[in-house]
Amino acid sequence: DGGITQSPKYLFRKEGQNVTLSCEQNLNHDAMYWYRQDPGQGLRLIYYSQIVNDFQKGDIAEGYSVSREKKESFPLTVTSAQKNPTAFYLCASSLRGTANEKLFFGSGTQLSVL
Amino acid sequence: AQSVTQPDIHITVSEGASLELRCNYSYGATPYLFWYVQSPGQGLQLLLKYFSGDTLVQGIKGFEAEFKRSQSSFNLRKPSVHWSDAAEYFCAVGDGTDKLIFGTGTRLQVFP
Repeated sequence: DGGITQSPKYLFRKEGQNVTLSCEQNLNHDAMYWYRQDPGQGLRLIYYSQIVNDFQKGDIAEGYSVSREKKESFPLTVTSAQKNPTAFYLCASSLRGTANEKLFFGSGTQLSVL
Repeated sequence: AQSVTQPDIHITVSEGASLELRCNYSYGATPYLFWYVQSPGQGLQLLLKYFSGDTLVQGIKGFEAEFKRSQSSFNLRKPSVHWSDAAEYFCAVGDGTDKLIFGTGTRLQVFP
């Protein structure tokens, strides 16, 4: 079955530690996205990529980094510079990355701080 | 800047009752409008979308939404709610670039 796989489901970060969230898709989509979800705040865009080896900052990119070395993979690193990382992180993809397209979402990663 | 407002944070309905979730947007041109649903601890799933044409849009799971330009609204409706519809619902608007702007969501609770 085609879809988006996020791992791990739950992740814990220690103070000063970088952690990486995985996102893989087998839909052959060009565009991939990372969103952060906090209670009562909806989804906020962290980074997005419309082509391999290229990505753009979203609305809340500070303290995060990404890479897009392969079309099917778009990992997100939460760095120690992100002082409030506890949130639910969602990865999504779309066919070409235009605003009129359906987004396909993974099942999310819950990140908590120890 | 474009924005989306979902004025109802939490709605409770009885099973079998009708449902309307409100969504208002701010956008200069004809927007791309979406409704997504999220079950607890899961990702989002598209219910329906509107780009142009007929202002009443049918979606999955028996949902529909109506685009009203004069009111800048895109409200989601269902004539008879099932217990399995309990979830969080997000309205979103395409902002004219390549990004979606999401509302803050409405949590639906269904009582038997």
